[in-house]
Amino acid sequence: AQSVTQPDIHITVSEGASLELRCNYSYGATPYLFWYVQSPGQGLQLLLKYFSGDTLVQGIKGFEAEFKRSQSSFNLRKPSVHWSDAAEYFCAVAKGFQKLVFGTGTRLLVSP
Amino acid sequence: EAGVTQFPSHSVIEKGQTVTLRCDPISGHDNLYWYRRVMGKEIKFLLHFVKESKQDESGMPNNRFLAERTGGTYSTLKVQPAELEDSGVYFCASSQEPIWEGLYSPLHFGNGTRLTVT
Repeated sequence: AQSVTQPDIHITVSEGASLELRCNYSYGATPYLFWYVQSPGQGLQLLLKYFSGDTLVQGIKGFEAEFKRSQSSFNLRKPSVHWSDAAEYFCAVAKGFQKLVFGTGTRLLVSP
Repeated sequence: EAGVTQFPSHSVIEKGQTVTLRCDPISGHDNLYWYRRVMGKEIKFLLHFVKESKQDESGMPNNRFLAERTGGTYSTLKVQPAELEDSGVYFCASSQEPIWEGLYSPLHFGNGTRLTVT
């Protein structure tokens, strides 16, 4: 069965430092992968997605993610974190054509 | 365009009571999804409507949960009677097409309803 693991529940990063959030998936075929962000009081917003092609995908707000089939990973990165990036981040894989399977989320704290 | 709207934003009820959550999708979006996040756990799929028809309700926890989408517009999710383990955040999402068909059709999420059962 499809599953997504986000091993880090919380991460604290200094403002201006680089960020990497980990995501590992379990899926038999070519996965369709997503990263969503939920800011306080807001809904889930799509940051980026991977369907096929170039394994390094660019998203909104300066985020990028790299698909590594050999490691079953789809880690999210940002070179320089801003205080407004503090939020909860969810990795997801599409199951079939109609639904997403999410990880448990990683809460990002940004310190001054 | 107006986004996906959910209300109430918060609901606190006692065990055994009934609660109805409402979702108004983006106008013209035939596909409507309900998801739930129990505290500290992953966001889980509950069900998927295409217009007024239930396309997939495999994620509904039990028969205490009833979802409807009369007329293919807004949707309601009723929990009757509510139990403590029903507490969590209920998200609604909509899209013009399924998650993808040809070109990717984005999934738009609402802000969620936080349900607390005491």
